[in-house]
Amino acid sequence: DADVTQTPRNRITKTGKRIMLECSQTKGHDRMYWYRQDPGLGLRLIYYSFDVKDINKGEISDGYSVSRQAQAKFSLSLESAIPNQTALYFCATSDPADNEKLFFGSGTQLSVL
Amino acid sequence: QKEVEQNSGPLSVPEGAIASLNCTYSDRVSQSFFWYRQYSGKSPELIMSIYSNGDKEDGRFTAQLNKASQYVSLLIRDSQPSDSATYLCAVNTRDSSYKLIFGSGTRLLVRP
Repeated sequence: DADVTQTPRNRITKTGKRIMLECSQTKGHDRMYWYRQDPGLGLRLIYYSFDVKDINKGEISDGYSVSRQAQAKFSLSLESAIPNQTALYFCATSDPADNEKLFFGSGTQLSVL
Repeated sequence: QKEVEQNSGPLSVPEGAIASLNCTYSDRVSQSFFWYRQYSGKSPELIMSIYSNGDKEDGRFTAQLNKASQYVSLLIRDSQPSDSATYLCAVNTRDSSYKLIFGSGTRLLVRP
């Protein structure tokens, strides 16, 4: 079983629609992250959460929101999707006791038409 | 200037050769450095971490860190076609929150 699970794996949506990407983990890590990956740009941090009551913006948070429903669950929402949000999205977790090594989910490929 | 820079490649090497991947970073106080391997369409996978100057070896992989020159490299000995992937360099940020900043990755092709 995957330690970090993302749903859905693929999503096609239309401009203006609200969508949610979900992430759950069984690693017991407090810290969770959302990254997006675009060709040639590497991974960029959208939001991160160090515990249930701690939410922080990353370098590209505009147009996104997040919810940390529990230690194991961290969801990403696009309130009104636009085409330039088409990307591969990754959820990740880390443990500060393990030098913050990131463990990634399988990713969600999102296409906004 | 990007915080973490890598040559995008592709870096093409013959099977059995040594592949050398390089990464430079801008934040002098960074303390933790990681190499992730990412196969096409898959998620990044941690392969090496290094925290102090010098070399760290793990099987066919060697990570090298030079904080004075602000670079970190990854050597892959006896390269195999299965090593063909994109290699992402990641560096922790200045503040205490330990956020990782990623380079854009170097694509490695190992020719049979």
